[in-house]
Amino acid sequence: SAVISQKPSRDICQRGTSLTIQCQVDSQVTMMFWYRQQPGQSLTLIATANQGSEATYESGFVIDKFPISRPNLTFSTLTVSNMSPEDSSIYLCSVGETGHNSPLHFGNGTRLTVT
Amino acid sequence: AQKITQTQPGMFVQEKEAVTLDCTYDTSDQSYGLFWYKQPSSGEMIFLIYQGSYDEQNATEGRYSLNFQKARKSANLVISASQLGDSAMYFCAMREIAGNKLTFGGGTRVLVKP
Repeated sequence: SAVISQKPSRDICQRGTSLTIQCQVDSQVTMMFWYRQQPGQSLTLIATANQGSEATYESGFVIDKFPISRPNLTFSTLTVSNMSPEDSSIYLCSVGETGHNSPLHFGNGTRLTVT
Repeated sequence: AQKITQTQPGMFVQEKEAVTLDCTYDTSDQSYGLFWYKQPSSGEMIFLIYQGSYDEQNATEGRYSLNFQKARKSANLVISASQLGDSAMYFCAMREIAGNKLTFGGGTRVLVKP
């Protein structure tokens, strides 16, 4: 499976600031997704990162708060904007191919703490 | 309504014994995939096993097997001969055709006792 590099692995940020998380894959992939995992919770999909076009956001997530870029088939970024302590979570990049029979693979996540 | 339900928030299992983790799902699709992931305390998500909705045989992968009961919409994970390294969170997930995304259950924390 693809090797997924996610940066940074962790960060502590001040409220009101923004953080950009990078996801780099060592091979071209069709699908890229961004998930959030709040403390002690399961994974929730933020958005599907679409190459060359606007991301598709899930209910409850908006582009102004979580702008996403995907310039090519191997790279995507997620920005967490105007952070508050409620944004403290693990953010995970996930990649894979289309089709319900194909697993998604995950980066190691970015552990974000907002103070 | 929740699409993926894992009713066991936590379980203890004795080392070398088997453990079954429950997962029920809800979908109106005929074609879908069911997946199990392991998340150790380090936080990475490790793909364990896959079951397709049209698969007639239960999936197996080493010490992991899936007890798939389509009519009951359940896909329980069985871990045989538990090891201390199996202590982790386990997530059941479903991938439907629409959107290609994975939807996760709430997870089950497994603690293997020596």
